Amino acid sequence: AAGVIQSPRHLIKEKRETATLKCYPIPRHDTVYWYQQGPGQDPQFLISFYEKMQSDKGSIPDRFSAQQFSDYHSELNMSSLELGDSALYFCASSKRGLDTQYFGPGTRLTVL
Amino acid sequence: AQSVTQLGSHVSVSEGALVLLRCNYSSSVPPYLFWYVQYPNQGLQLLLKYTSAATLVKGINGFEAEFKKSETSFHLTKPSAHMSDAAEYFCAVSGVNDYKLSFGAGTTVTVRA
Repeated sequence: AAGVIQSPRHLIKEKRETATLKCYPIPRHDTVYWYQQGPGQDPQFLISFYEKMQSDKGSIPDRFSAQQFSDYHSELNMSSLELGDSALYFCASSKRGLDTQYFGPGTRLTVL
Repeated sequence: AQSVTQLGSHVSVSEGALVLLRCNYSSSVPPYLFWYVQYPNQGLQLLLKYTSAATLVKGINGFEAEFKKSETSFHLTKPSAHMSDAAEYFCAVSGVNDYKLSFGAGTTVTVRA
């Protein structure tokens, strides 16, 4: 079965640079969630989209923005990167109204 | 707001022994509860979920969990541990109309031969 695809899998950036993470949900899933998992920590919810509209917002810095496109893929844009942004970023998708989120393999972002 | 607390950040069991991971939730209304497993350098895989149907939920890889409202608990068990069960396990909660997940701090399971 098709799974959630995230790209790139690994990303290395310098401080103050920008990064774009991409997420391709499972086919026919209309909802996308982004989570951030710092080293040794549990995943923290950042933001979600349903039918290309932001549906919920968590602890996402103002330096970050995200959107969902007409094909339901989503991109997380991160600017003015800080060392503390180094983390594993997960995307999950679901079919709206259903409770199960399916996670992608994550993008490991390292900020030097 | 919903939240979960996992008791014990590390659990070490012998191969073949019972695995018991504890999770307690805090919610004003019965929530949806989940257990996810994370293997090193991999994503989160759903083990099982509770969504107000049967209180005893069976999942993949021989795991099961029981929802106990009186104890606000959703503990995960497996009767006989296997070496491949070594991983980190996260309990998570969402509301019935608020789908974002709130995770516990995670429990790392080590299986001794």
